[in-house]
Amino acid sequence: KQEVTQIPAALSVPEGENLVLNCSFTDSAIYNLQWFRQDPGKGLTSLLLIQSSQREQTSGRLNASLDKSSGRSTLYIAASQPGDSATYLCAVSRNYGQNFVFGPGTRLSVLP
Amino acid sequence: NAGVTQTPKFQVLKTGQSMTLQCAQDMNHNSMYWYRQDPGMGLRLIYYSASEGTTDKGEVPNGYNVSRLNKREFSLRLESAAPSQTSVYFCASKLTGTGVYQGKLFFGSGTQLSVL
Repeated sequence: KQEVTQIPAALSVPEGENLVLNCSFTDSAIYNLQWFRQDPGKGLTSLLLIQSSQREQTSGRLNASLDKSSGRSTLYIAASQPGDSATYLCAVSRNYGQNFVFGPGTRLSVLP
Repeated sequence: NAGVTQTPKFQVLKTGQSMTLQCAQDMNHNSMYWYRQDPGMGLRLIYYSASEGTTDKGEVPNGYNVSRLNKREFSLRLESAAPSQTSVYFCASKLTGTGVYQGKLFFGSGTQLSVL
């Protein structure tokens, strides 16, 4: 059974810092991996999607990498801003992209 | 575009009552999903529909039924609500096939359900 973990569970940083969030999964036979952002009381917003054949994806200040063989992904946030404060979740899928398994999330606070 | 729309946003039920959560998407997506989110448990898949006319159980299907009414709509029904079904419910949809958006999940804003 696929299990997804995220470290750290919570993180507090001053504005302007670069930071890394980690995601680990136990079964490397994944179809793709997604990083999401969730604001309190809201739904999830997809940030980056990495297909199993890719090594990384970039969107603005965000960069996500994928190492299937080691079962790891990282989300790098450059020059963090208070507006980045949210919970970040990763999810992996198999079976042609069905059946996503989510990690518990990392709660990020960026202090002004 | 509205994206994924869920109704209602909030609901309080008494044990044993029934209700249906509605979900609709306007992005012409093939696949639709129902998740529940609980503190300490994360997001767990209840049911999904890979395409119109098909539904499959996820990780926690007991106590729920679903209907894929058409390509746009996917409803979740609680026949006899229990306190253990108190949760936040999210509907999501996804385009399958090839292309840059293939596989990207889009979520609704959620339904906060309390069962007393």
